[in-house]
Amino acid sequence: AQSVTQPDIHITVSEGASLELRCNYSYGATPYLFWYVQSPGQGLQLLLKYFSGDTLVQGIKGFEAEFKRSQSSFNLRKPSVHWSDAAEYFCAVGLAGNNRKLIWGLGTSLAVNP
Amino acid sequence: GAGVSQTPSNKVTEKGKYVELRCDPISGHTALYWYRQSLGQGPEFLIYFQGTGAADDSGLPNDRFFAVRPEGSVSTLKIQRTERGDSAVYLCASSLGTSGMGNEQFFGPGTRLTVL
Repeated sequence: AQSVTQPDIHITVSEGASLELRCNYSYGATPYLFWYVQSPGQGLQLLLKYFSGDTLVQGIKGFEAEFKRSQSSFNLRKPSVHWSDAAEYFCAVGLAGNNRKLIWGLGTSLAVNP
Repeated sequence: GAGVSQTPSNKVTEKGKYVELRCDPISGHTALYWYRQSLGQGPEFLIYFQGTGAADDSGLPNDRFFAVRPEGSVSTLKIQRTERGDSAVYLCASSLGTSGMGNEQFFGPGTRLTVL
């Protein structure tokens, strides 16, 4: 069965430090890959997505992610974290074909120290 | 323009009662999705509509859960004989709905359901 693993439940970084959030998936083919952010009291917002082509994708708010087929990974990165980045981050997989449902990881909670 | 809206924002009910949760998608979005998010978990797919029809309802946990979208816009998720385990945030999303996964799903703020 398809699954998404986010190994880090909680991460704390200092403001200005770099960030990498890990995401691994299990699927028989190349999936569609997404990162969403959920701030307290806010709806889920799409940060970036990968469908095909260049394996390094740029998103909003200065985030980027790299698809590595050999590692079944799609890690999210940001070179310099801002206090406003504190939120819950979810990696999600969309399956090939016309089925549009997303399969989600458990999320990584990011705290930012001033 | 307005985003996806969900009503009510909070719903407290007693075990065994019937509840309806409403989702108003972005105007013009033909695809609509329901997810459920329990505390400390990622969203869990429930059902997906393309227009008026349910294209995939494989995530509905049992026959107490039912969803409709009679005119291809607003959708209602209905839960009969609620149980304490149904307590969660119910999320609705919509997308333009052309073929494939190319369309971003826009999420509403969710309805927090608490079953006492």
